Amino acid sequence: AQSVAQPEDQVNVAEGNPLTVKCTYSVSGNPYLFWYVQYPNRGLQFLLKYITGDNLVKGSYGFEAEFNKSQTSFHLKKPSALVSDSALYFCAVRDTGDYKLSFGAGTTVTVRA
Amino acid sequence: EAGVTQFPSHSVIEKGQTVTLRCDPISGHDNLYWYRRVMGKEIKFLLHFVKESKQDESGMPNNRFLAERTGGTYSTLKVQPAELEDSGVYFCASSRGSRNTEAFFGQGTRLTVV
Repeated sequence: AQSVAQPEDQVNVAEGNPLTVKCTYSVSGNPYLFWYVQYPNRGLQFLLKYITGDNLVKGSYGFEAEFNKSQTSFHLKKPSALVSDSALYFCAVRDTGDYKLSFGAGTTVTVRA
Repeated sequence: EAGVTQFPSHSVIEKGQTVTLRCDPISGHDNLYWYRRVMGKEIKFLLHFVKESKQDESGMPNNRFLAERTGGTYSTLKVQPAELEDSGVYFCASSRGSRNTEAFFGQGTRLTVV
């Protein structure tokens, strides 16, 4: 079985400050990890993924995420947040033997000017 | 390249009625998925097509839900008869062949059963 936990329902930061959105996962095999973002009235947009290799992956819009196998975490980060980063963020995991994604409940990010 | 398209964007129906959601995946994507998000909870997997074949339908809640994928192109998800608990946002996604590729999602269909 695979699952994802996003421990924070909401994250509030000031523009220009670092942004971190937390994610932990559970899989039986090796994980494929993904971050998606949903802007208001839009679908889910792919941000980045970890499949194998370097633990630090870079994605769209200046976001990056660090895979930590020992802590089973895949936190999303951005060094300097923008007001336009305000959105709903989902972490997802796919076990290596599977195609379906398991999602976390989502974290609402609000960046204030 | 056109993205994943879903229709309608919103649907409000009465309990007991039938609703059919449609999804047009990205051209060339063999994998097509349906997911659902109910009342701010997790996005839950419903089923997975590979071309026209159902690969995994373990997430389908009950036999009121029927999904088809005609000729391996577009897909429909029918709910008959709809119940109040079926309300939510239904997402469709598609991806290329291998497991390490990301899925691309449509904008979703917001279904409200009253």
